[in-house]
Amino acid sequence: GAVVSQHPSRVICKSGTSVKIECRSLDFQATTMFWYRQFPKQSLMLMATSNEGSKATYEQGVEKDKFLINHASLTLSTLTVTSAHPEDSSFYICSARDPMGRDTDTQYFGPGTRLTVL
Amino acid sequence: GQQVMQIPQYQHVQEGEDFTTYCNSSTTLSNIQWYKQRPGGHPVFLIQLVKSGEVKKQKRLTFQFGEAKKNSSLHITATQTTDVGTYFCAGTKAAGNKLTFGGGTRVLVKP
Repeated sequence: GAVVSQHPSRVICKSGTSVKIECRSLDFQATTMFWYRQFPKQSLMLMATSNEGSKATYEQGVEKDKFLINHASLTLSTLTVTSAHPEDSSFYICSARDPMGRDTDTQYFGPGTRLTVL
Repeated sequence: GQQVMQIPQYQHVQEGEDFTTYCNSSTTLSNIQWYKQRPGGHPVFLIQLVKSGEVKKQKRLTFQFGEAKKNSSLHITATQTTDVGTYFCAGTKAAGNKLTFGGGTRVLVKP
């Protein structure tokens, strides 16, 4: 089945530093990937849609200059949290659709990255 | 914008009992998907419903899509401790569009 990986799984950084999170589709090519943010005991909030070879589409209220997204290949999207602050601490999860799969709307989620900003 | 609501927010179930969680959308959906997230884990795809009135079963789980394609339900029979987790529904207004997630139903099972 479709597998999505994320790296790192956990990161702790100092306030003001930047953190890059990678999302990879391992056994399929994904023209579209999605980045979500999840606070403890809350639902998933879509941050942006990452499109291979073009600019990401950000949801209302998400700062594109703070959350930089790059989708340089069909199997890799990266999210960079720039100048991280404690309020950016959260669980970041990516997902991808398999355009050649049986259900093209199904999103396959990565294992998530838990970011803690001190 | 599109809103997807789930009730109840929390479900405490005695092991062996049945329960149902409900999902309601403010707009008509193209399809609805259900995911399960175990504590500390990530969402795992369970099923997708596309047709009006569709019913699908996965062992002890029964998923239903409403006739108007604005609501859905997940019914679990004979709950087991392995059913612990948060169940999310997520809908899309049109095929290929982004998913809007409901708030989730957090299920706790009492042995």
